Amino acid sequence: DTGVSQNPRHKITKRGQNVTFRCDPISEHNRLYWYRQTLGQGPEFLTYFQNEAQLEKSRLLSDRFSAERPKGSFSTLEIQRTEQGDSAMYLCASSLGQGNGQPQHFGDGTRLSIL
Amino acid sequence: GDSVTQMEGPVTLSEEAFLTINCTYTATGYPSLFWYVQYPGEGLQLLLKATKADDKGSNKGFEATYRKETTSFHLEKGSVQVSDSAVYFCALTPQGGSEKLVFGKGTKLTVNP
Repeated sequence: DTGVSQNPRHKITKRGQNVTFRCDPISEHNRLYWYRQTLGQGPEFLTYFQNEAQLEKSRLLSDRFSAERPKGSFSTLEIQRTEQGDSAMYLCASSLGQGNGQPQHFGDGTRLSIL
Repeated sequence: GDSVTQMEGPVTLSEEAFLTINCTYTATGYPSLFWYVQYPGEGLQLLLKATKADDKGSNKGFEATYRKETTSFHLEKGSVQVSDSAVYFCALTPQGGSEKLVFGKGTKLTVNP
């Protein structure tokens, strides 16, 4: 079990630029989640994949955000035309979708800083 | 909608003190309940969970009991250690659907020697 891996760990960019983050889940996990965490708050759900299908998106996920999981393995989260308010920690988690209450395993996150 | 409310921190205790962090939730049906912990400089880790009413989750000396009648899942530990200093998050996954986690705001615990 190598755990959930996220890259990069830290991204600094200028407002208006596009950024892309990558998440590699635990290999046998079919469910993958993206969350966003701002300082002093708990993580907030952004979107969820079961295998390659994106099945749920939060209202927090504006049109500037897009996520993919093309082969049901790794996932990418892209933010276009970044804004100051996008500064946050972006967390990825994965789980086995077998019944209620399966725990989600989190990566260390990608911290996005918008200048 | 579904939500989690946990006691505001920060909480500061001396080593070997008793710990309680209160957590209550709002959700329909029977959500699953979790406590996650975030140690300084590390990612979120699952601490314990309970998936049905009256279940008790336990790990590393921490316990929490799923109380449907009071919609609560309070975290307790009888004797805290300096190494327990961390931020603790209560969370739920709604019954059915995507099982996305809904988190509380977190409670920062500092244990002094």
